[in-house]
Amino acid sequence: NAGVTQTPKFQVLKTGQSMTLQCAQDMNHEYMSWYRQDPGMGLRLIHYSVGAGITDQGEVPNGYNVSRSTTEDFPLRLLSAAPSQTSVYFCASSYSGSGIPYNEQFFGPGTRLTVL
Amino acid sequence: AQSVTQLDSHVSVSEGTPVLLRCNYSSSYSPSLFWYVQHPNKGLQLLLKYTSAATLVKGINGFEAEFKKSETSFHLTKPSAHMSDAAEYFCVVSEQTGANNLFFGTGTRLTVIP
Repeated sequence: NAGVTQTPKFQVLKTGQSMTLQCAQDMNHEYMSWYRQDPGMGLRLIHYSVGAGITDQGEVPNGYNVSRSTTEDFPLRLLSAAPSQTSVYFCASSYSGSGIPYNEQFFGPGTRLTVL
Repeated sequence: AQSVTQLDSHVSVSEGTPVLLRCNYSSSYSPSLFWYVQHPNKGLQLLLKYTSAATLVKGINGFEAEFKKSETSFHLTKPSAHMSDAAEYFCVVSEQTGANNLFFGTGTRLTVIP
């Protein structure tokens, strides 16, 4: 079991460039999400998905797109990178469902992105 | 709406002395609460969780937390700090409305002095 994997580990972009951060999990989890971590602000939710074909916005979705064509993969796309998107990005996954006890979220190792 | 407030951005303790990291929460529902730890340049690891069972929750590495509804608090404690405890700690509340979204506090950096 690889758990949650993210690629790349590091990335430097120029303003206006686009790129995709990859996230994959091999635990058959329905729920997947993307967070960004900025100094002094904790982690903030960007987008999430409760299953293949279903995505929704989190707290800070502007400038990012997601899709969920398979259970395993949940890529995050930056359409036109801006310096304000310099951050560390974490992907997470878990089982999901309302009315059941909390299911632990498993986090990937993160992608450190710098936008110049 | 859910939110958490971590009352200290930085806590410094001597090795072998007790650790107290403070967290207050706000939730419209019966909350699920967690503490996560992040060591430098690493990912996040779950320390412990409260999901409406016992109010005193024991986690890994000797940490524990007590859920106090009357005080809306979920403080993290450890009787004796170890050098390896130096890290960033996040108090987190879960949205209990179907999606499994987490709301993070701003973090407390724990420094352990030898």
